[in-house]
Amino acid sequence: DAGITQSPRHKVTETGTPVTLRCHQTENHRYMYWYRQDPGHGLRLIHYSYGVKDTDKGEVSDGYSVSRSKTEDFLLTLESATSSQTSVYFCAISPGTGDDTQYFGPGTRLTVL
Amino acid sequence: KQEVTQIPAALSVPEGENLVLNCSFTDSAIYNLQWFRQDPGKGLTSLLLIQSSQREQTSGRLNASLDKSSGRSTLYIAASQPGDSATYLCAVEGGSNYKLTFGKGTLLTVNP
Repeated sequence: DAGITQSPRHKVTETGTPVTLRCHQTENHRYMYWYRQDPGHGLRLIHYSYGVKDTDKGEVSDGYSVSRSKTEDFLLTLESATSSQTSVYFCAISPGTGDDTQYFGPGTRLTVL
Repeated sequence: KQEVTQIPAALSVPEGENLVLNCSFTDSAIYNLQWFRQDPGKGLTSLLLIQSSQREQTSGRLNASLDKSSGRSTLYIAASQPGDSATYLCAVEGGSNYKLTFGKGTLLTVNP
């Protein structure tokens, strides 16, 4: 398995609280992604990074921000959590050097009450 | 906007059967198509990646085909086993920065 870890794995928080999820990789891959997975919607891209300090929005970026200060870490922040952000969040990485395969982390289950 | 559809949404078969999962996409200008497997409560595991210039890829009992012009891909699983039970997801990369658009998946159950 690709070396990807996500923390925390489970979190329960209250509406209006800021939340930060962390993705850590040991593969030195250039590209990193944050997705959310919801019943009936499948996997949707929130934000992605194509290098240190280089990030861009995905399909469902409203209410989320990201930061990547090191190759190995990609942080997803919910600025003020809402119940609609209750979901399972997956981080993925990709080498970006001719190998387009994406490798996924184990996921973080977030519940916003 | 690219849309990816997977049919059927769920499939139940007896052990040993050969089966086909279908994936269609609306924009044929893709770079590649990827098939993933997801077990309950787990992340996604990459199964096969087909570049846009390729027609098929094989890995063990799995064979994926791609017909870019018609916007279709199939995942063929030979001699299915109960351990193949999972949700199978198809995703297409259609632009720069390796972004994927996913289908909603096919839930496969292989009965002993």
